[in-house]
Amino acid sequence: DTAVSQTPKYLVTQMGNDKSIKCEQNLGHDTMYWYKQDSKKFLKIMFSYNNKELIINETVPNRFSPKSPDKAHLNLHINSLELGDSAVYFCASRPRLAGGYNEQFFGPGTRLTVL
Amino acid sequence: GIQVEQSPPDLILQEGANSTLRCNFSDSVNNLQWFHQNPWGQLINLFYIPSGTKQNGRLSATTVATERYSLLYISSSQTTDSGVYFCAVDLLIKAAGNKLTFGGGTRVLVKP
Repeated sequence: DTAVSQTPKYLVTQMGNDKSIKCEQNLGHDTMYWYKQDSKKFLKIMFSYNNKELIINETVPNRFSPKSPDKAHLNLHINSLELGDSAVYFCASRPRLAGGYNEQFFGPGTRLTVL
Repeated sequence: GIQVEQSPPDLILQEGANSTLRCNFSDSVNNLQWFHQNPWGQLINLFYIPSGTKQNGRLSATTVATERYSLLYISSSQTTDSGVYFCAVDLLIKAAGNKLTFGGGTRVLVKP
């Protein structure tokens, strides 16, 4: 299927642990993103990568480290997890700007619960 | 930064009713998207609508970029329309760095 996929879908872990979330898109898009949705459903950009290069870093704690091994993958590693990191994390991608078209497509989300 | 406000914050509808959701934004934008987050948490693209009017089945949307607002119309609502509707806009930062700024959402509950 053509899509943005994320693994795992659910992640439950203890405070202080380190965890990773993976994202892959097979849409041939150049730019990928991580967004965070908090408990009040508010969605906010965290990072953006274009063709493996970091473009946007929205004052996210440095415990969060994105890595893009290639333009189809963008992973999110979180060190020393805290209770406040509990949220749903969405990966998204969009095609190269052409004629102004830049619709973003979202993955299914990863629900992270820190105990 | 850009502000995106959605109204109303909550909406309860009887099945079959029509409704209008509004999105106001504080600055000029390049693009605007409407999403439906269903009860399972998936974000579903409804419309990519930087300007003009589009229709998809019972849903339609209109964006008036010069007046900085967009409207989403739901006609003949069904229980499956329940969920949260988000408006999101992007402000071009660099050639490849645009990001979506989301409104707070409108929570819609359609009762049978």
